[in-house]
Amino acid sequence: QQQVKQSPQSLIVQKGGISIINCAYENTAFDYFPWYQQFPGKGPALLIAIRPDVSEKKEGRFTISFNKSAKQFSLHIMDSQPGDSATYFCAANRGGSRLTFGEGTQLTVNP
Amino acid sequence: DAGITQSPRHKVTETGTPVTLRCHQTENHRYMYWYRQDPGHGLRLIHYSYGVKDTDKGEVSDGYSVSRSKTEDFLLTLESATSSQTSVYFCAISDQDYGYTFGSGTRLTVV
Repeated sequence: QQQVKQSPQSLIVQKGGISIINCAYENTAFDYFPWYQQFPGKGPALLIAIRPDVSEKKEGRFTISFNKSAKQFSLHIMDSQPGDSATYFCAANRGGSRLTFGEGTQLTVNP
Repeated sequence: DAGITQSPRHKVTETGTPVTLRCHQTENHRYMYWYRQDPGHGLRLIHYSYGVKDTDKGEVSDGYSVSRSKTEDFLLTLESATSSQTSVYFCAISDQDYGYTFGSGTRLTVV
Protein backbone atom coordinates (compact mmCIF):
# COMPACT_ATOMS: atom_id res chain seq x y z
CA GLN A 1 0.00 0.00 0.00
CA GLN A 2 1.27 3.40 -0.92
CA GLN A 3 1.85 5.34 2.29
CA VAL A 4 3.03 8.73 3.37
CA LYS A 5 4.07 9.11 6.99
CA GLN A 6 3.91 12.57 8.54
CA SER A 7 5.35 13.90 11.79
CA PRO A 8 4.83 15.42 14.26
CA GLN A 9 1.08 15.16 14.85
CA SER A 10 1.11 18.53 16.58
CA LEU A 11 3.59 21.37 16.82
CA ILE A 12 3.72 24.50 18.93
CA VAL A 13 6.05 27.29 17.85
CA GLN A 14 6.63 30.81 19.09
CA LYS A 15 6.00 33.74 16.79
CA GLY A 16 9.07 34.36 14.66
CA GLY A 17 10.32 30.80 15.02
CA ILE A 18 10.80 28.10 12.38
CA SER A 19 8.17 25.41 11.98
CA ILE A 20 9.35 22.11 10.50
CA ILE A 21 7.07 19.27 9.43
CA ASN A 22 8.45 16.05 8.01
CA CYS A 23 7.12 13.39 5.68
CA ALA A 24 8.46 10.07 4.46
CA TYR A 25 7.21 8.03 1.54
CA GLU A 26 7.70 4.50 0.29
CA ASN A 27 6.87 4.48 -3.39
CA THR A 28 9.87 5.58 -5.45
CA ALA A 29 7.55 6.11 -8.43
CA PHE A 30 5.98 9.17 -6.78
CA ASP A 31 6.78 12.28 -8.78
CA TYR A 32 4.69 15.02 -7.17
CA PHE A 33 4.87 16.14 -3.55
CA PRO A 34 2.43 18.87 -2.47
CA TRP A 35 1.70 20.43 0.89
CA TYR A 36 -1.80 21.51 1.81
CA GLN A 37 -2.88 24.00 4.48
CA GLN A 38 -6.25 23.72 6.17
CA PHE A 39 -7.92 26.25 8.45
CA PRO A 40 -10.79 25.21 10.76
CA GLY A 41 -14.06 24.81 8.90
CA LYS A 42 -12.37 25.03 5.50
CA GLY A 43 -11.15 22.58 2.93
CA PRO A 44 -7.41 21.95 2.43
CA ALA A 45 -5.75 24.40 0.07
CA LEU A 46 -2.62 23.79 -1.97
CA LEU A 47 0.27 25.64 -0.35
CA ILE A 48 3.38 24.58 -2.27
CA ALA A 49 4.52 21.57 -4.27
CA ILE A 50 7.76 20.06 -5.54
CA ARG A 51 8.88 17.58 -8.16
CA PRO A 52 11.79 15.18 -7.45
CA ASP A 53 14.13 16.81 -9.94
CA VAL A 54 14.90 19.62 -7.47
CA SER A 55 16.01 19.48 -3.85
CA GLU A 56 14.37 22.66 -2.64
CA LYS A 57 11.55 25.02 -3.53
CA LYS A 58 10.82 28.28 -1.81
CA GLU A 59 7.73 30.47 -1.95
CA GLY A 60 7.87 33.37 0.45
CA ARG A 61 8.26 32.06 3.99
CA PHE A 62 7.46 28.48 2.93
CA THR A 63 10.15 26.06 1.74
CA ILE A 64 10.00 22.42 0.73
CA SER A 65 13.19 20.43 1.17
CA PHE A 66 13.34 17.16 -0.74
CA ASN A 67 15.74 14.25 -0.15
CA LYS A 68 15.20 11.67 -2.87
CA SER A 69 17.70 9.12 -1.55
CA ALA A 70 16.12 9.16 1.92
CA LYS A 71 12.58 9.30 0.48
CA GLN A 72 11.78 12.23 2.72
CA PHE A 73 10.49 15.75 2.25
CA SER A 74 9.78 18.50 4.70
CA LEU A 75 8.01 21.83 5.00
CA HIS A 76 9.80 24.72 6.66
CA ILE A 77 7.88 27.82 7.69
CA MET A 78 10.25 30.66 8.42
CA ASP A 79 9.30 33.54 10.72
CA SER A 80 6.15 31.67 11.77
CA GLN A 81 3.11 33.87 12.46
CA PRO A 82 -0.09 33.26 14.44
CA GLY A 83 -1.95 33.35 11.12
CA ASP A 84 0.00 30.25 10.08
CA SER A 85 -1.80 28.26 12.77
CA ALA A 86 -3.56 25.52 10.80
CA THR A 87 -3.39 21.85 9.94
CA TYR A 88 -0.81 20.92 7.33
CA PHE A 89 -0.93 17.84 5.16
CA CYS A 90 1.81 16.42 2.99
CA ALA A 91 0.86 14.25 0.04
CA ALA A 92 2.39 12.37 -2.86
CA ASN A 93 1.40 10.69 -6.09
CA ARG A 94 2.51 9.86 -9.59
CA GLY A 95 0.69 10.54 -12.81
CA GLY A 96 -2.40 8.38 -13.13
CA SER A 97 -2.67 7.64 -9.43
CA ARG A 98 -4.51 9.41 -6.65
CA LEU A 99 -2.89 11.66 -4.07
CA THR A 100 -1.98 9.84 -0.86
CA PHE A 101 -2.08 12.12 2.17
CA GLY A 102 -0.17 12.09 5.41
CA GLU A 103 -2.06 12.10 8.71
CA GLY A 104 -1.72 15.85 9.19
CA THR A 105 0.11 18.16 11.60
CA GLN A 106 -1.73 20.69 13.72
CA LEU A 107 0.49 23.78 13.97
CA THR A 108 -0.06 26.39 16.66
CA VAL A 109 1.99 29.58 16.55
CA ASN A 110 1.86 31.44 19.85
CA PRO A 111 2.01 35.24 19.76
CA ASP B 1 -14.02 27.73 -2.61
CA ALA B 2 -14.19 29.18 -6.07
CA GLY B 3 -15.38 26.72 -8.69
CA ILE B 4 -16.44 23.92 -6.36
CA THR B 5 -19.50 23.76 -4.12
CA GLN B 6 -20.56 21.07 -1.68
CA SER B 7 -24.06 20.62 -0.34
CA PRO B 8 -25.31 20.40 2.26
CA ARG B 9 -22.69 21.94 4.57
CA HIS B 10 -24.10 20.20 7.61
CA LYS B 11 -26.39 17.24 7.99
CA VAL B 12 -27.66 15.12 10.85
CA THR B 13 -29.25 11.83 9.91
CA GLU B 14 -30.43 8.68 11.60
CA THR B 15 -28.72 5.31 11.44
CA GLY B 16 -29.98 3.20 8.57
CA THR B 17 -31.17 6.04 6.36
CA PRO B 18 -29.69 6.77 2.92
CA VAL B 19 -27.83 10.04 2.52
CA THR B 20 -26.62 11.80 -0.63
CA LEU B 21 -23.95 14.48 -0.67
CA ARG B 22 -23.47 16.64 -3.72
CA CYS B 23 -20.37 18.16 -5.25
CA HIS B 24 -20.75 20.69 -8.05
CA GLN B 25 -17.91 22.24 -10.06
CA THR B 26 -17.79 25.02 -12.61
CA GLU B 27 -14.17 24.40 -13.72
CA ASN B 28 -14.88 21.63 -16.24
CA HIS B 29 -12.18 19.51 -14.59
CA ARG B 30 -11.98 15.87 -15.59
CA TYR B 31 -11.19 14.39 -12.18
CA MET B 32 -13.41 14.52 -9.09
CA TYR B 33 -12.83 12.89 -5.73
CA TRP B 34 -14.57 12.22 -2.45
CA TYR B 35 -12.50 12.13 0.74
CA ARG B 36 -13.42 11.75 4.37
CA GLN B 37 -11.45 13.42 7.13
CA ASP B 38 -11.22 11.93 10.60
CA PRO B 39 -8.87 12.77 13.49
CA GLY B 40 -5.71 10.70 13.31
CA HIS B 41 -6.45 9.46 9.81
CA GLY B 42 -5.91 12.50 7.68
CA LEU B 43 -7.74 12.46 4.37
CA ARG B 44 -8.85 9.09 3.02
CA LEU B 45 -10.11 8.56 -0.49
CA ILE B 46 -13.60 7.08 -0.78
CA HIS B 47 -14.28 7.14 -4.53
CA TYR B 48 -13.10 9.10 -7.49
CA SER B 49 -14.16 9.81 -11.06
CA TYR B 50 -12.07 10.34 -14.18
CA GLY B 51 -14.95 11.25 -16.44
CA VAL B 52 -18.70 11.08 -16.89
CA LYS B 53 -19.89 7.66 -15.75
CA ASP B 54 -16.28 6.60 -15.09
CA THR B 55 -15.72 5.98 -11.40
CA ASP B 56 -13.53 3.82 -9.23
CA LYS B 57 -13.08 2.87 -5.59
CA GLY B 58 -10.68 4.40 -3.14
CA GLU B 59 -9.29 2.95 0.06
CA VAL B 60 -12.43 3.30 2.20
CA SER B 61 -15.28 2.66 -0.26
CA ASP B 62 -17.34 0.13 1.71
CA GLY B 63 -20.83 1.50 2.42
CA TYR B 64 -20.52 4.26 -0.17
CA SER B 65 -21.52 4.60 -3.79
CA VAL B 66 -21.04 7.42 -6.29
CA SER B 67 -22.47 8.64 -9.54
CA ARG B 68 -21.36 11.13 -12.14
CA SER B 69 -23.91 11.72 -14.89
CA LYS B 70 -22.59 15.16 -15.80
CA THR B 71 -19.08 16.62 -15.81
CA GLU B 72 -20.02 19.16 -13.17
CA ASP B 73 -21.73 16.92 -10.60
CA PHE B 74 -20.37 14.10 -8.46
CA LEU B 75 -22.73 12.53 -5.93
CA LEU B 76 -21.74 10.48 -2.91
CA THR B 77 -24.40 8.20 -1.41
CA LEU B 78 -24.29 6.46 1.92
CA GLU B 79 -26.58 3.55 1.23
CA SER B 80 -27.51 2.94 4.89
CA ALA B 81 -25.79 5.38 7.20
CA THR B 82 -23.91 4.09 10.24
CA SER B 83 -22.33 5.91 13.16
CA SER B 84 -18.86 5.06 11.80
CA GLN B 85 -19.67 7.26 8.81
CA THR B 86 -19.91 10.34 11.00
CA SER B 87 -17.18 12.46 9.49
CA VAL B 88 -16.32 15.51 7.46
CA TYR B 89 -16.55 14.81 3.75
CA PHE B 90 -14.56 16.74 1.19
CA CYS B 91 -14.94 16.83 -2.54
CA ALA B 92 -11.93 17.72 -4.68
CA ILE B 93 -11.35 18.39 -8.36
CA SER B 94 -8.33 18.42 -10.64
CA ASP B 95 -7.64 18.67 -14.33
CA GLN B 96 -4.49 16.52 -14.47
CA ASP B 97 -4.74 14.29 -11.40
CA TYR B 98 -2.10 16.41 -9.67
CA GLY B 99 -3.01 19.67 -7.96
CA TYR B 100 -6.35 19.22 -6.24
CA THR B 101 -8.83 21.95 -5.32
CA PHE B 102 -11.02 21.07 -2.36
CA GLY B 103 -14.52 22.17 -1.47
CA SER B 104 -15.45 23.52 1.94
CA GLY B 105 -16.70 20.18 3.21
CA THR B 106 -19.88 18.59 4.54
CA ARG B 107 -20.06 17.75 8.22
CA LEU B 108 -22.21 14.63 8.56
CA THR B 109 -23.43 13.30 11.87
CA VAL B 110 -25.15 9.92 12.05
CA VAL B 111 -27.15 9.44 15.25
